[in-house]
Amino acid sequence: GENVEQHPSTLSVQEGDSAVIKCTYSDSASNYFPWYKQELGKRPQLIIDIRSNVGEKKDQRIAVTLNKTAKHFSLHITETQPEDSAVYFCAASIDYKLSFGAGTTVTVRA
Amino acid sequence: EAGVAQSPRYKIIEKRQSVAFWCNPISGHATLYWYQQILGQGPKLLIQFQNNGVVDDSQLPKDRFSAERLKGVDSTLKIQPAKLEDSAVYLCASSLGRTLNEQFFGPGTRLTVL
Repeated sequence: GENVEQHPSTLSVQEGDSAVIKCTYSDSASNYFPWYKQELGKRPQLIIDIRSNVGEKKDQRIAVTLNKTAKHFSLHITETQPEDSAVYFCAASIDYKLSFGAGTTVTVRA
Repeated sequence: EAGVAQSPRYKIIEKRQSVAFWCNPISGHATLYWYQQILGQGPKLLIQFQNNGVVDDSQLPKDRFSAERLKGVDSTLKIQPAKLEDSAVYLCASSLGRTLNEQFFGPGTRLTVL
């Protein structure tokens, strides 16, 4: 099955700085890569996704890049704000089945 | 639109007891998923339904876990008998179809096995 590794496991940034989370996947057949944000005690919510035929996608302060050759994708959050503090999960989909990374706990310091 | 509903929100049982979780997906969503999220880890897919048929249950511990989705709408996940390592949050999610669509998650059921 698909194996997704996510780094770092924790990330502390100063408010206004950028945060970058990186994920690698094992199966080159994976074709869909969503990112979910999970606040403490709440459900995971999709924040951005990218398909394998696209190299980069941006939505306001959030962007995702995909390198199919290297089998890795990254989440970039610019101008971080306190409300960005949460656990972020990457995932990769093969045959419509999502495999999640272990998560990155992001803390934005005021 | 109403989101994915789950109940109960919390459950505490002793090992070897049985427990059942219920999920009501978003109206019109054909695909339903059950995930297990152990503390500090990402969600792990247990079973995926397309309407009332099982698409993938390769990671479901079938000796103790069972799930059904009668009439292609609500679903129940059962554990019998429970083990200590089953302590986790059980998340239900649904999506429009078996395609590259967003999965919407429910609030989860936090299970503690003592």
